[in-house]
Amino acid sequence: KAGVTQTPRYLIKTRGQQVTLSCSPISGHRSVSWYQQTPGQGLQFLFEYFSETQRNKGNFPGRFSGRQFSNSRSEMNVSTLELGDSALYLCASSSSGGTQETQYFGPGTRLLVL
Amino acid sequence: AQSVTQLDSQVPVFEEAPVELRCNYSSSVSVYLFWYVQYPNQGLQLLLKYLSGSTLVKGINGFEAEFNKSQTSFHLRKPSVHISDTAEYFCAVSRMDSSYKLIFGSGTRLLVRP
Repeated sequence: KAGVTQTPRYLIKTRGQQVTLSCSPISGHRSVSWYQQTPGQGLQFLFEYFSETQRNKGNFPGRFSGRQFSNSRSEMNVSTLELGDSALYLCASSSSGGTQETQYFGPGTRLLVL
Repeated sequence: AQSVTQLDSQVPVFEEAPVELRCNYSSSVSVYLFWYVQYPNQGLQLLLKYLSGSTLVKGINGFEAEFNKSQTSFHLRKPSVHISDTAEYFCAVSRMDSSYKLIFGSGTRLLVRP
C-alpha cells in the first residue's frame, strides 16, 4: 500500500505570496490532518478533515485554510505569506480519524519564505 | 487543555547502551499516549501507543514505554541502542473524547555514538 504523499517536497516563496500544498492519503483513509513543524514552536496542529468536512482547527490565523476533496485528497493554502510561515508542513492520514487511531505521516513539504 | 513535556532536548548515548527518553503530560481529561520517531528529512513514524490495559507497551524496533498515571508519565526505553536509532523522538497525546488532533512535546534528539 502506498504511503501518504505530499507535493511539492520543497517550495520557496516570497512574503505576500500565497501557496497551496497537496496531500494524498493512504488509500481508504478518510481523515487527513495537517501539522506545522518549526524549530521554535515544534509540531502544531493546523486542522483535520473527514469526508470533506473540517472537524477540528488549531490556533492559527485565518490565512491558513484547507479543504478536502471527495477522493480524500487534501490541500492547504496559506495566503499573504510571512517569514514566520517558513516551516515543514506535515500531512497525516488515518482511517476514520478516531483519536486512538494511528496517524500515518507523509514526508512533508518544506516551505521557505524569503 | 493538554500539554506534553519532554525534559531532555538531546540525549547522547553510546551504542549498545540502554536509553530512557522522558515524557510527562498534563490533561484534565483522559488521553491516549503516543511515541513517534522522525528520521532526518522524513515524516513521523509511530513507535508505540497506549490506549488502555497493560501499562507496559511494546513497540517497533525494540522500544517499549510504561504508562504511569499517578506520575502522568510515559517514558520510552530501549535496552540496547544502535547507531540507526539516531533520530528525533516525539511524545504526543490525544483526548479520548472527539478531538482528532495530536498534542506533541518539543522532541528529544537521540544521538547514538559508536
